Amino acid sequence: GAGVSQSPSNKVTEKGKDVELRCDPISGHTALYWYRQSLGQGLEFLIYFQGNSAPDKSGLPSDRFSAERTGGSVSTLTIQRTQQEDSAVYLCASSLSLPDGGGLYEQYFGPGTRLTVT
Amino acid sequence: SQQGEEDPQALSIQEGENATMNCSYKTSINNLQWYRQNSGRGLVHLILIRSNEREKHSGRLRVTLDTSKKSSSLLITASRAADTASYFCATSGGSYIPTFGRGTSLIVHP
Repeated sequence: GAGVSQSPSNKVTEKGKDVELRCDPISGHTALYWYRQSLGQGLEFLIYFQGNSAPDKSGLPSDRFSAERTGGSVSTLTIQRTQQEDSAVYLCASSLSLPDGGGLYEQYFGPGTRLTVT
Repeated sequence: SQQGEEDPQALSIQEGENATMNCSYKTSINNLQWYRQNSGRGLVHLILIRSNEREKHSGRLRVTLDTSKKSSSLLITASRAADTASYFCATSGGSYIPTFGRGTSLIVHP
């Protein structure tokens, strides 16, 4: 079946502009994650959605960052008033959520959106 | 600080050789996963090992977990040029939010 898709694949924007990044998770996956990866670095957790529960926003670096997940499926990450330090690859992942709770389950990643702020 | 840290940061080997990379973590975990990333794009899941398991195999991959030492290793046997990628471990101590290390960059020379 289809994997996780993200759009756009590349985005170049001017400093101060707002950007929206989209993620389409695998159908039936209730968990959705956003990460940021700067060049040569590991993944930085941003936000986590699980079903209809309130999202875990603990990783968002500033109030310029926000995310929504509509209908438990598609998610949009919005960055307002972009700064040069926002330049990175933004990765989305989805996973099943098993009933026994806790732990970490296999995540399926999208190809990412490479954001460049000039 | 990062929960999982891979070692070495970079590894360069010849095709056919084995590649071993390690992951150390700080707190107790429920399970640990290894992922591969090509060209700075999406990650691909390789193996999940639970805290009550000590070793797991998948094709040419062998993962070990030593919870007493809070470490895991990923062994790729008979490496191929196509194995060139970055490898990350991800740990979770009971929440649904994983922590990734900075990764090991593996280069396999043909």
